[in-house]
Amino acid sequence: SQLAEENPWALSVHEGESVTVNCSYKTSITALQWYRQKSGEGPAQLILIRSNEREKRNGRLRATLDTSSQSSSLSITATRCEDTAVYFCATDSAGNKLTFGIGTRVLVRP
Amino acid sequence: EAAVTQSPRSKVAVTGGKVTLSCHQTNNHDYMYWYRQDTGHGLRLIHYSYVADSTEKGDIPDGYKASRPSQENFSLILELASLSQTAVYFCASSRTGGDTQYFGPGTRLLVL
Repeated sequence: SQLAEENPWALSVHEGESVTVNCSYKTSITALQWYRQKSGEGPAQLILIRSNEREKRNGRLRATLDTSSQSSSLSITATRCEDTAVYFCATDSAGNKLTFGIGTRVLVRP
Repeated sequence: EAAVTQSPRSKVAVTGGKVTLSCHQTNNHDYMYWYRQDTGHGLRLIHYSYVADSTEKGDIPDGYKASRPSQENFSLILELASLSQTAVYFCASSRTGGDTQYFGPGTRLLVL
């Protein structure tokens, strides 16, 4: 079973709307990372939020972390077509490596 | 900016043949990783390394070998390629084990 899992599997919004992707994980962590992967490219990190942080922002992106419920969310405001991508959460619960979820496919329509 | 390059970018191999995928990073990072990506499975770790001349098994190492001859270079070797190894392979590097990972553009491998 997955140590980290995003939901929903896919979602679609219109440009300008906000979107939220959720992540649940199963073990204790020191940090959780959010990555974005555009079609034909490698993943790129968006935000790293440590276990002692509850919220982190990066421009239009906002990540939250709730270690008690072992969950995180990534919100994107004022979405643009170029935000269309697969969004992954990744946890460092395994020590020297990250464990990625399967990802949420986000489509931003004009 | 971090730079990870992979070669080749795509490859067609025959079943039973040997395939070598190469990765080069100019980040001065100690950690390097090889992942495969298949539809519905996300990114799965094959091998990783935190120092030259040493490699570690990831979550799905069977059928793969890795080589880290220098800090900058990390190779993934398929000694006997199989149909099930058709996938996109990504290399990544990071400063430490739990740190931000910087990914290469990927290698699309098709085994026939």
